Amino acid sequence: NAGVTQTPKFQVLKTGQSMTLQCAQDMNHNSMYWYRQDPGMGLRLIYYSASEGTTDKGEVPNGYNVSRLNKREFSLRLESAAPSQTSVYFCASSEWGDAGELFFGEGSRLTVL
Amino acid sequence: GENVEQHPSTLSVQEGDSAVIKCTYSDSASNYFPWYKQELGKGPQLIIDIRSNVGEKKDQRIAVTLNKTAKHFSLHITETQPEDSAVYFCAAARGSTLGRLYFGRGTQLTVWP
Repeated sequence: NAGVTQTPKFQVLKTGQSMTLQCAQDMNHNSMYWYRQDPGMGLRLIYYSASEGTTDKGEVPNGYNVSRLNKREFSLRLESAAPSQTSVYFCASSEWGDAGELFFGEGSRLTVL
Repeated sequence: GENVEQHPSTLSVQEGDSAVIKCTYSDSASNYFPWYKQELGKGPQLIIDIRSNVGEKKDQRIAVTLNKTAKHFSLHITETQPEDSAVYFCAAARGSTLGRLYFGRGTQLTVWP
């Protein structure tokens, strides 16, 4: 049972480069989320998708775009990476937006030089 | 938006002792308060949650209390074990958007054998 799978696990970018973080869940969940985790800052919501076909901004959306490709997959794109986007990114899913428990992936560590 | 404060940032206890982590929140409309445990190199995992219509909830060695008037909630771990060592996050959310969590900054709990 894979749960939530994120790729890549590690990535190093130069300032201005673009990249996409991929996330897939196999739990038939409707809602999916992207959070970032910075030292001493907890986790902050970047974007979420309450259901297939919808996306909404979270707490810190600037510099990011998302695509809910289908019910299973939710990608996060950095169009022009900046050092401030160096972080660990977590994808999560829940049965519904009001279901409570989030299931997190293992994270993607991104370094922007 | 919501602001969640968490204390202490680090906590060291002897095996068998109790550990208490406290959080406060600012948005009186918040009505869902989960606690997540994050082990090194892993994504956060829900360990217990409480909703605003309940004052206390227990699950074996873990309990959470909520004081809505004072806007604070606490995690209590009794009979701590070395495997309880991890980072613990409190969070708050409201309404039908329970996946839109606002996290505290985390508490690094170390349990010494």
